[in-house]
Amino acid sequence: GAVVSQHPSWVICKSGTSVKIECRSLDFQATTMFWYRQFPKQSLMLMATSNEGSKATYEQGVEKDKFLINHASLTLSTLTVTSAHPEDSSFYICSASRSDNEKLFFGSGTQLSVL
Amino acid sequence: ELKVEQNPLFLSMQEGKNYTIYCNYSTTSDRLYWYRQDPGKSLESLFVLLSNGAVKQEGRLMASLDTKARLSTLHITAAVHDLSATYFCAVASFQGAQKLVFGQGTRLTINP
Repeated sequence: GAVVSQHPSWVICKSGTSVKIECRSLDFQATTMFWYRQFPKQSLMLMATSNEGSKATYEQGVEKDKFLINHASLTLSTLTVTSAHPEDSSFYICSASRSDNEKLFFGSGTQLSVL
Repeated sequence: ELKVEQNPLFLSMQEGKNYTIYCNYSTTSDRLYWYRQDPGKSLESLFVLLSNGAVKQEGRLMASLDTKARLSTLHITAAVHDLSATYFCAVASFQGAQKLVFGQGTRLTINP
């Protein structure tokens, strides 16, 4: 079946540094990928829609200059958390599907801890 | 604005019992998903429901969808400890079938 790979699984960084998270569709092409954030014991909140070859679409309240999304190919989207602060500590999950009519596959998630 | 509400949010039950988790949503949608999440892990897809009256079953879990009532249920039959997890329903927004709004999640604990 289709697999979405996310890397790294966890990262610890110092406040003020930037962290890049990768999301890859391993056996299919994904023109659209989605990035979610999940705080402890809470639900998933959509951050942005990543579109191959064009700018990402951000949800209300998500700072596009802080959470940089690049979808340079049909199999790779990256989320960069710039100038990370402790309040950015969260579980970040990406998702993708082959087409609009197929089910979504989720990456394994990235636990970000900012010290 | 699409809103998705689950209840209960917490559920502790004994093995062998049956129970139902409810998922209500506020606006029309053409698909609804159920996911399972174990602590520290990502989401595991359980069911996708695409039409009114749809019913899907896998093992001890059965999901149904009533689009007129904007309600989906996840029924657990003869619960076993391995089903302990957090269960999320998610509804596709009108802006795209893949753009999902998640419920709050139901944390299910099954005790021996």
